Amino acid sequence: KAGVTQTPRYLIKTRGQQVTLSCSPISGHRSVSWYQQTPGQGLQFLFEYFSETQRNKGNFPGRFSGRQFSNSRSEMNVSTLELGDSALYLCASSLFGQGSETQYFGPGTRLLVL
Amino acid sequence: GESVGLHLPTLSVQEGDNSIINCAYSNSASDYFIWYKQESGKGPQFIIDIRSNMDKRQGQRVTVLLNKTVKHLSLQIAATQPGDSAVYFCAENPQAAGNKLTFGGGTRVLVKP
Repeated sequence: KAGVTQTPRYLIKTRGQQVTLSCSPISGHRSVSWYQQTPGQGLQFLFEYFSETQRNKGNFPGRFSGRQFSNSRSEMNVSTLELGDSALYLCASSLFGQGSETQYFGPGTRLLVL
Repeated sequence: GESVGLHLPTLSVQEGDNSIINCAYSNSASDYFIWYKQESGKGPQFIIDIRSNMDKRQGQRVTVLLNKTVKHLSLQIAATQPGDSAVYFCAENPQAAGNKLTFGGGTRVLVKP
């Protein structure tokens, strides 16, 4: 069974631009979560989607948004990019998003904002 | 806010020795704990998990211990190998929170030959 895939793997943008990242969960998984990883803040939860609905949200500004499609694939969007948005963005999936389910991570998308 | 933390940022261990990585958590509502391993250029890889109704769980060469009294979690790696060199994160998922992991800061394990 294929793992979580994320595209693109690397991205360079300039301040003020917007970016869309994509995540395909493990087949059959319906919950997709997004995390931001930076050297300074570590791994931080962005949001979780289940059945095309945002179910949980972390403490990030409204510039960070996401959505989930009927096939469980998910995208996240960051508008008006800032230098501090440079990070590794990780996607994780699990079957139903129940609290004690294992979440499996993708390789991440490394975003550099210049 | 409540968070999960680690005591040691870097752990150097001789190949073949046992490794112990510690983690403190502060959310008493946490019901589920996970250890992840992250190698350079890769996403976190699941190692082992434990629920709050257990105090010990064993996997292949790894053991997780949970002490709810002092809110402490540890990961023991037996016979550490060069391939174990990575950053290890503990994470907690509060009960009924769905998928909303809170991660510790990470511990880098360096295995010396």
